[in-house]
Amino acid sequence: AQKITQTQPGMFVQEKEAVTLDCTYDTSDPSYGLFWYKQPSSGEMIFLIYQGSYDQQNATEGRYSLNFQKARKSANLVISASQLGDSAMYFCAMRVSTDSWGKLQFGAGTQVVVTP
Amino acid sequence: KAGVTQTPRYLIKTRGQQVTLSCSPISGHRSVSWYQQTPGQGLQFLFEYFSETQRNKGNFPGRFSGRQFSNSRSEMNVSTLELGDSALYLCASSLGARQSTEAFFGQGTRLTVV
Repeated sequence: AQKITQTQPGMFVQEKEAVTLDCTYDTSDPSYGLFWYKQPSSGEMIFLIYQGSYDQQNATEGRYSLNFQKARKSANLVISASQLGDSAMYFCAMRVSTDSWGKLQFGAGTQVVVTP
Repeated sequence: KAGVTQTPRYLIKTRGQQVTLSCSPISGHRSVSWYQQTPGQGLQFLFEYFSETQRNKGNFPGRFSGRQFSNSRSEMNVSTLELGDSALYLCASSLGARQSTEAFFGQGTRLTVV
């Protein structure tokens, strides 16, 4: 069975600082994809970044980067230079090739509050 | 290009009624997945449709059903509503192929059952 674990229920970060959100996963499937989403209070899930299990390099998208440590089965999200607008719930998600490719399994999420 | 569109955004229904939610995926995306989000259970997968066929189904009772049309638009239906069905229902759109790195969500439909 697959499992996604986010151990940080919430965290505060000061504006302009970097923050790391933890995500560990468990799967026996060698082919999988990992996603990070941001969910503001409005409810919309905003796609941030994707990492494939066979990708050689860590994914980056603007201020977001993914610290992918395959042997440790971790896929931590790093947000550099935090902004007030980064305050939101952040979800890590995984899909595996042995399941239909449109199915995502989510972690419990981490609530991030950015303070001035 | 246009994003994923879910309608309606908000719904209030009474126990025992049924409800239909709609999702229009991103143009060219053939996979539509539905999720239920509640404070207690988090985000749970309901089902996925690909090219008008249900490709996968989560662990939900038969009261929850869906379909997909030839233009990839999808609907989900919940019959005999219960208070516990109150949730944010999210639809995700993707190419549905192994190589796809995209999975984009709509703004969701917030259903309240009273």
